[in-house]
Amino acid sequence: GAVVSQHPSRVICKSGTSVKIECRSLDFQATTMFWYRQFPKQSLMLMATSNEGSKATYEQGVEKDKFLINHASLTLSTLTVTSAHPEDSSFYICSASNRGWDHYEQYFGPGTRLTVT
Amino acid sequence: GENVEQHPSTLSVQEGDSAVIKCTYSDSASNYFPWYKQELGKGPQLIIDIRSNVGEKKDQRIAVTLNKTAKHFSLHITETQPEDSAVYFCAAKGFKTIFGAGTRLFVKA
Repeated sequence: GAVVSQHPSRVICKSGTSVKIECRSLDFQATTMFWYRQFPKQSLMLMATSNEGSKATYEQGVEKDKFLINHASLTLSTLTVTSAHPEDSSFYICSASNRGWDHYEQYFGPGTRLTVT
Repeated sequence: GENVEQHPSTLSVQEGDSAVIKCTYSDSASNYFPWYKQELGKGPQLIIDIRSNVGEKKDQRIAVTLNKTAKHFSLHITETQPEDSAVYFCAAKGFKTIFGAGTRLFVKA
């Protein structure tokens, strides 16, 4: 099956600093990548969708200047949380898809637990 | 906006029993319905999916049924095992993929 990795799995940073999360598709070309945020015991909240080589499309209410997304290659997307604050602490999950697939199946990464102190 | 309702939010069953999780969607354009299993501290894992031109699909102990007329789809797990304990999410994809709120399944040994 399709494999997606994320790095780091956990990160703790101080308030005001920035942190970068990487998402990689290991065995397929990810023409589209999605970034989600998940609060404890809640569903997945889509933050943004990015197509390779294009600017990301952000969901309503998600600050694009705070959550910088780069999808520079067909196997790598990054999410940078800039000037992080404690309220940004969350579980961030990426998923990847290939538009050549029948129904754009999404395969998820293992997630990154961000804690801002 | 479009939404997916998922029930129940919590389900507890005895090992060996069956578990059923139901979802209802609102977007008539939805044509792809995946189910994900999420274990604690991990990302969701695709366990089964169904296309709109199919009414039922089975993979070993897991089956999914789809009623497009009623906009219902369900996940059926038979002969449950403790390792089936997790949170299960349904989703419906039309223009966008909309996720249900999740069902926390507990399988008691």
